[in-house]
Amino acid sequence: DAGITQSPRYKITETGRQVTLMCHQTWSHSYMFWYRQDLGHGLRLIYYSAAADITDKGEVPDGYVVSRSKTENFPLTLESATRSQTSVYFCASSGGVWESGTYEQYFGPGTRLTVT
Amino acid sequence: EDKVVQSPLSLVVHEGDTVTLNCSYEVTNFRSLLWYKQEKKAPTFLFMLTSSGIEKKSGRLSSILDKKELSSILNITATQTGDSAIYLCAVGTGANNLFFGTGTRLTVIP
Repeated sequence: DAGITQSPRYKITETGRQVTLMCHQTWSHSYMFWYRQDLGHGLRLIYYSAAADITDKGEVPDGYVVSRSKTENFPLTLESATRSQTSVYFCASSGGVWESGTYEQYFGPGTRLTVT
Repeated sequence: EDKVVQSPLSLVVHEGDTVTLNCSYEVTNFRSLLWYKQEKKAPTFLFMLTSSGIEKKSGRLSSILDKKELSSILNITATQTGDSAIYLCAVGTGANNLFFGTGTRLTVIP
């Protein structure tokens, strides 16, 4: 189906393990984003990508790594998971920036990650 | 530091009431203000307001951008239980980032 998907939807892992969250979109949107959502903080941008092989840090990038070898995929890796990274992670995509504004972002269903 | 503040944090109303949600912002390079609705899943897009489009309406929902006051309101008239959700305000900047507020949790009781 067309749209933006994330996998897994739920993940429990132990402190220190490497975890990769997957994001796939079928719209050929140039921009893709990773957010985490925590109580009291709302949605915070981790990393974003303007195109394949172009990525940039957001507000809270520490402890995360991203790559974008193909336009449709934008995986997020936690190199050594910590309890503070327990959160709900949302991937989003958009058509980009235009002269008068910012294209709306469309969100995936989210991945609930628990680090024990 | 870019900042988006929403108020109130939560709100409980009865079906049929009208509600007004507030969003104020301090950001560099403002491009647009967006409203999203989040139920028990991903945020879904409602409106985008820019300098060239400061008022939007869709059914019972409407929104206005006040660039002078650096704020926006989201109005919902004749509320229904299906309007219960967290409403998120986000401000878009030139880097294509969206800065989100923490949201207003709206509960509509029958």
